[in-house]
Amino acid sequence: QSALTQPASVSGSPGQSITISCTGTSSDVGYYNYVFWYQQYPGKAPKLMIYDVNNRPSGVSNRFSGSKSGNTASLTISGLQAEDEADYYCSSHTTSDTVVFGGGTKLTVL
Amino acid sequence: QLQLQESGPGLVKPSETLSLTCTVSGGSITSSSHHWAWIRQPPGKGLEWIGSIYYSGKTYYNLSLKSRIIISVDTSKNQFSLKLSSVTATDTAMYYCAREESSRADYWGQGTLVTVSS
Repeated sequence: QSALTQPASVSGSPGQSITISCTGTSSDVGYYNYVFWYQQYPGKAPKLMIYDVNNRPSGVSNRFSGSKSGNTASLTISGLQAEDEADYYCSSHTTSDTVVFGGGTKLTVL
Repeated sequence: QLQLQESGPGLVKPSETLSLTCTVSGGSITSSSHHWAWIRQPPGKGLEWIGSIYYSGKTYYNLSLKSRIIISVDTSKNQFSLKLSSVTATDTAMYYCAREESSRADYWGQGTLVTVSS
């Protein structure tokens, strides 16, 4: 059960768009549409931002969107704002009926 | 509004057993649509899914931790618990409990820091 692979860091300027990738295998990301994205501020619990690849929970800005192709999922944040600076984690259901997380990506808003 | 609250010792000695409880309020742990999960985060590191339980008692465990984990549920108290045996310094982490719906963790506790040290 290896962790999903995410870039350690990404950055962008206010107003720009950024994309964070999340690469898994045919036993997790590639098998199910149960891919999720979480946002975490320092010292806080994670918050669900995207579920089932491309769905937003109520209250999450439509600047956040998700997609998937094969074994790789992506989170795109458009119109970057200072408040988007946080850590982002992907996760997926697996064929072992477990959940696996990515290593996390630190987003810096320049 | 659903709330989850972790409780338990903040300091555990090496080789001993870490025990935490999550109390659920504002909703029932016997919901047929949800599982109840434990997730941890070592200081400065990423999230690790530990395992989850359904109200019936059926459990799902991280394969890398399976030999050391027991997750249980007490429906009468609306609580679920984690026991992690033979702990070492690498088990030092913030431990979160969460509600899962189709594997997505949509409600989280605030987390409790557990340090393994003599």
